[in-house]
Amino acid sequence: EDQVTQSPEALRLQEGESSSLNCSYTVSGLRGLFWYRQDPGKGPEFLFTLYSAGEEKEKERLKATLTKKESFLHITAPKPEDSATYLCAVQVRAGTALIFGKGTTLSVSS
Amino acid sequence: AAGVIQSPRHLIKEKRETATLKCYPIPRHDTVYWYQQGPGQDPQFLISFYEKMQSDKGSIPDRFSAQQFSDYHSELNMSSLELGDSALYFCASSQRTGNYGYTFGSGTRLTVV
Repeated sequence: EDQVTQSPEALRLQEGESSSLNCSYTVSGLRGLFWYRQDPGKGPEFLFTLYSAGEEKEKERLKATLTKKESFLHITAPKPEDSATYLCAVQVRAGTALIFGKGTTLSVSS
Repeated sequence: AAGVIQSPRHLIKEKRETATLKCYPIPRHDTVYWYQQGPGQDPQFLISFYEKMQSDKGSIPDRFSAQQFSDYHSELNMSSLELGDSALYFCASSQRTGNYGYTFGSGTRLTVV
């Protein structure tokens, strides 16, 4: 069964304290791995898509990396506005639905 | 840039009533997905459409149905509503080919009382 597991479930950081979120996956095939940010009561906001092991993408304080078994979302010097739930999802084949992990809720305090 | 439009944003219904949620995908996106997200839960896939034909089915109850129309907008019809149907319902659209992520709408919050 295709499965996505995210850890930790919750993460509290001080402003400027860098850390990483983990997404491990067990799937029958991988067309792409997606990272989303979701604020309470809002739709997931697209951050990154990664397609092959070794790929890295960056956006402001966020950097996503991918290996054959997992992906990391590195947050460098986070700010309070980075507080949100970060969702990881995989797509097994083109056109199929994304399979989501349960998310990591990040809280950054000043 | 155009985004995925969902309506209504909020909906309150009584048990056993019917609800219809609408989704307008990004222009030229050929695939639409519906997801249900309960409080504190990850999004659960319900159903998808590719070029107006149902392409995949997830954990959608038999009480729910959906379709995609000629203008590519999609509607999720929910009948005999139950308290447990209270959730956020998201629509997402994408292009089947190409390296594009899914774009989600802002969702419809359905409350069944």
